[in-house]
Amino acid sequence: KQEVTQIPAALSVPEGENLVLNCSFTDSAIYNLQWFRQDPGKGLTSLLLIQSSQREQTSGRLNASLDKSSGRSTLYIAASQPGDSATYLCAVIPGTDKLIFGTGTRLQVFP
Amino acid sequence: GAGVSQSPSNKVTEKGKDVELRCDPISGHTALYWYRQRLGQGLEFLIYFQGNSAPDKSGLPSDRFSAERTGESVSTLTIQRTQQEDSAVYLCASSFSLAGTSPTQYFGPGTRLLVL
Repeated sequence: KQEVTQIPAALSVPEGENLVLNCSFTDSAIYNLQWFRQDPGKGLTSLLLIQSSQREQTSGRLNASLDKSSGRSTLYIAASQPGDSATYLCAVIPGTDKLIFGTGTRLQVFP
Repeated sequence: GAGVSQSPSNKVTEKGKDVELRCDPISGHTALYWYRQRLGQGLEFLIYFQGNSAPDKSGLPSDRFSAERTGESVSTLTIQRTQQEDSAVYLCASSFSLAGTSPTQYFGPGTRLLVL
C-alpha cells in the first residue's frame, strides 16, 4: 500500500528564507507527483505537476524535484514571503486516476 | 472560466440524518473525484468518475456513502445515517482526462460537514 509522508509537519520561518519541504513515498511505481497548497477555508491550488519521466519542474520561486528510485520529492521555495503561508501537500498518482496525499507541511512565514 | 464549485459550503446535521453534497465540475472535464479530509488527517480518496465508465468506488468507507454523476456534469455525494466520524471537509475535483494520461486535478472549495 502506497504511503506518503511529509516532513516537517510544521515550519515557521522569517520572511526571506529559502525553504525545503520534503515528501517521501513507499512505492516508486508512480505515474506523476503533484504539489498543492491549501489555504484555510479554500480548496487546493495546484502548484507543480512532475511527470514520472521528469526530474524537476519550476514555477516562479518554486522548484520541485522528483527522485522516483529513492521515493522522494522536494519542494524548494526561494525568498519566502508571508503570502506563502499555507499548508503544502504532495500527492502521488499511481495510475491515471486518484491522488494519494501526504499529511502536509503547515508553513508560516512571518514578516 | 468558472472553477469547480461545491454546495453547501458548510453543513451541520444531527447524527442519523442523511446529507447530500453537490459538486459542479469545470465544464468539459470528463473526470470527477471526491476526497475527504478529516481534522488533522490527510486527504482520502473516496470515488472517481470517468466519462461513462463504471465509477471507481474503492475509497468509499462504508455502504452509507454513495455518489452519482449525470453524464459529464454535476455529481452528488450522499451520506446516509450520518455518524460523528463523518465530520470532515469533502472536496471535489475535476480534470480533462484522456486515456492513458494523468492530468492536473482542479479542486473546489469543499463542503465542511459537522455531524453533532
